[in-house]
Amino acid sequence: DARVTQTPRDKVTEMGQEVTMRCQPILGHNTVFWYRQTMMQGLELLAYFRNRAPLDDSGMPKDRFSAEMPDATLATLKIQPSEPRDSAVYFCASGFWGGHRNTGELFFGEGSRLTVL
Amino acid sequence: AQSVSQHNHHVILSEAASLELGCNYSYGGTVNLFWYVQYPGQHLQLLLKYFSGDPLVKGIKGFEAEFIKSKFSFNLRKPSVQWSDTAEYFCAVNAEKDTGRRALTFGSGTRLQVQP
Repeated sequence: DARVTQTPRDKVTEMGQEVTMRCQPILGHNTVFWYRQTMMQGLELLAYFRNRAPLDDSGMPKDRFSAEMPDATLATLKIQPSEPRDSAVYFCASGFWGGHRNTGELFFGEGSRLTVL
Repeated sequence: AQSVSQHNHHVILSEAASLELGCNYSYGGTVNLFWYVQYPGQHLQLLLKYFSGDPLVKGIKGFEAEFIKSKFSFNLRKPSVQWSDTAEYFCAVNAEKDTGRRALTFGSGTRLQVQP
């Protein structure tokens, strides 16, 4: 089965450290999303890409977060420096959107659980 | 502002009870509508979706949802819940955001607890 793969599954780090989360979207999908899930805020959209180009990152704290897609098989979300309030589960999701196939359906990865001490 | 509202934050039911979870959205144009389910410790999975056609949509595991355009609603239903339905349920809408881009926006989620 094709699936979205995220690494690491769990990460514990200290405040101030750099954290990089990686996502391999499903082959052939042209849209990649990053979401953050916390008990207090629920699911928050951080950023998303279409055909590797960033379309919207308005949900992301720009001073410390950055998202990139260096190629079609890899999306990264970086936090530098990390803070305790960044502790959350970060989900990557991919789908094929646009044109006559604008389905809007997303396939989620297992998530990366980040704990910043 | 554009939004997706799930009015029930936490629902507790006994097995075999009927379920209805509310979802309302505020987008005025064409939308695609979804319900996703997140079982404890797992990622989100698609339960059902509506794009067009019959407003009553059937999904997996006996779930269905009805799109009522005049009410901007897409409520999720199941006639008889099981303990294994214990999970968090998210309504989502694919619509044009304020930025002019289309994105999938999620509601705050409803935690369903089914007691045996």
